[in-house]
Amino acid sequence: GEDVEQSLFLSVREGDSSVINCTYTDSSSTYLYWYKQEPGAGLQLLTYIFSNMDMKQDQRLTVLLNKKDKHLSLRIADTQTGDSAIYFCAETDLGGYNKLIFGAGTRLAVHP
Amino acid sequence: EAGVAQSPRYKIIEKRQSVAFWCNPISGHATLYWYQQILGQGPKLLIQFQNNGVVDDSQLPKDRFSAERLKGVDSTLKIQPAKLEDSAVYLCASSLGLAGGGQETQYFGPGTRLLVL
Repeated sequence: GEDVEQSLFLSVREGDSSVINCTYTDSSSTYLYWYKQEPGAGLQLLTYIFSNMDMKQDQRLTVLLNKKDKHLSLRIADTQTGDSAIYFCAETDLGGYNKLIFGAGTRLAVHP
Repeated sequence: EAGVAQSPRYKIIEKRQSVAFWCNPISGHATLYWYQQILGQGPKLLIQFQNNGVVDDSQLPKDRFSAERLKGVDSTLKIQPAKLEDSAVYLCASSLGLAGGGQETQYFGPGTRLLVL
């Protein structure tokens, strides 16, 4: 079945870049997503990428997709303390009517 | 534009009791999703509605969980009887539900945090 894996924890210094990695198994996925979850809150969509793209940039966020290796990454430039949160990678399950398959999440800690 | 609303935000019950959660999706969104998020894990889809019909309930533990969306708008998710392992955050999400597929953003509510003692 589908599976999405992420590293569990990342710590960076304020102002540095953060790179959060994700691997997925469903080769038929058409869209891959990055969601952000702050404590006690729901999930907020950050960005998504279509599977025929290699890269997408949106302000401080850069998404890279290596479809051959089924590897997705999210780079946050100039990381701020407000970026501290859990970041979830997710893929769509084409057979599931837009159902999202999530990874376990990467907790990003930003320190001064 | 109002987001997805959920209530209650927190609930503590004892095992074998019943509990219900309510969700009001974004106005005009045809598709509604209930996800279960256990501590330390990503959300897992329990059930998905398209208007008032179920399109996916393959991961819903039907012996104890039920959900309905009678008028194609609000939805309730019920657990009866609850078990200790049901302790989790229950997230509701909605999307436009366009015909023909394509990218559809799911918008999530703040969730209901359930603790079963």
